[in-house]
Amino acid sequence: DAGVTQSPTHLIKTRGQQVTLRCSPKSGHDTVSWYQQALGQGPQFIFQYYEEEERQRGNFPDRFSGHQFPNYSSELNVNALLLGDSALYLCASSFGTNTDTQYFGPGTRLTVL
Amino acid sequence: QKEVEQNSGPLSVPEGAIASLNCTYSDRVSQSFFWYRQYSGKSPELIMSIYSNGDKEDGRFTAQLNKASQYVSLLIRDSQPSDSATYLCAVESTGNQFYFGTGTSLTVIP
Repeated sequence: DAGVTQSPTHLIKTRGQQVTLRCSPKSGHDTVSWYQQALGQGPQFIFQYYEEEERQRGNFPDRFSGHQFPNYSSELNVNALLLGDSALYLCASSFGTNTDTQYFGPGTRLTVL
Repeated sequence: QKEVEQNSGPLSVPEGAIASLNCTYSDRVSQSFFWYRQYSGKSPELIMSIYSNGDKEDGRFTAQLNKASQYVSLLIRDSQPSDSATYLCAVESTGNQFYFGTGTSLTVIP
């Protein structure tokens, strides 16, 4: 049973560029949440997707956008990258609103130069 | 004021001792509380969830919740070197938003 997978593992971009991160949820899960974890900090909630729609959103600017596909996989897009966007981006999947079943993927390490 | 606050540590305990991790939260209407463990360079993994006042035990782990004091704790009994990690407190707040603390780094000394 495959767990949550994310790609790519690492990514280096320069300021002003755009980036797309990808996530495939654990088998049987239909909800995907994205988090940003800066070094030495806890994860910060970006948004959550369910039934291909953004269900909840944290305190992040519109530069952060996402999408969920019919197969429940998801993308996180960040435009106009800033140095402060450098972080570990975590995807977590769950079933419906049952947050007890939230499983995290290995993350994508984004470095903005 | 941060939504979730944890003592950042680092916390060091000898092997076999009890490790005590604490967390406070600001949203009084929060209903769901979680402890995650995160090894260095890895993603968080769920250890415990708690929803009602009191204690909840799972093996060597005990979560304690006091909603009146807006306080959550995690006790790890018979600490092992493999317990060395960062422990994250998370609260599901109004609107089903998840808030994490900054984490407490625990080192168990053999």
